[in-house]
Amino acid sequence: QKEVEQDPGPLSVPEGAIVSLNCTYSNSAFQYFMWYRQYSRKGPELLMYTYSSGNKEDGRFTAQVDKSSKYISLFIRDSQPSDSATYLCAMILNTGNQFYFGTGTSLTVIP
Amino acid sequence: DTGVSQDPRHKITKRGQNVTFRCDPISEHNRLYWYRQTLGQGPEFLTYFQNEAQLEKSRLLSDRFSAERPKGSFSTLEIQRTEQGDSAMYLCASSLAQSSGLYNEQFFGPGTRLTVL
Repeated sequence: QKEVEQDPGPLSVPEGAIVSLNCTYSNSAFQYFMWYRQYSRKGPELLMYTYSSGNKEDGRFTAQVDKSSKYISLFIRDSQPSDSATYLCAMILNTGNQFYFGTGTSLTVIP
Repeated sequence: DTGVSQDPRHKITKRGQNVTFRCDPISEHNRLYWYRQTLGQGPEFLTYFQNEAQLEKSRLLSDRFSAERPKGSFSTLEIQRTEQGDSAMYLCASSLAQSSGLYNEQFFGPGTRLTVL
């Protein structure tokens, strides 16, 4: 079993839709949870990070962490064509050195 | 541009050849990481440096792979006797580790795409 599981999609939604992206994980020692966005042939860029359980909101993006279920989510409201990219979840153990990434979910927002 | 830079952006080589990639981190960052990403997968950790010291290596890093960060600034990743399975995007990231040990954001470079024929 992989440390982090993520549905690869692809996911295709109309412009303006609410998008829900999810990851599950197996190691309860993960402390920090991140969402990265990666455009084609580019490096990942950080969208949001959350420490432990709870919600965090930044503009159209909301990250949720449920440590009891080992489940994290990213919600994108009012999705735009420019949101079309691959979204990667990532996690760090409490030692904070090595990132564990999901496989990424490919999202296309159709105008 | 003060972000992480990588060179070259693309490399095509024949099986059995050696290749070397370079990463220039953000100037004040003391940690530097190497990842490998294959098509349809997330990045996989290879190794990381704190200043010039290589502190952790993944079991993915076979003895054909070697990384250095001689002066605690730029880093090189060398692959000897390349195999077709080495074809991937090699990503470099850097961060500024805090003495408190709290989370420090990793900034990624654009990657070097390696194709082994």
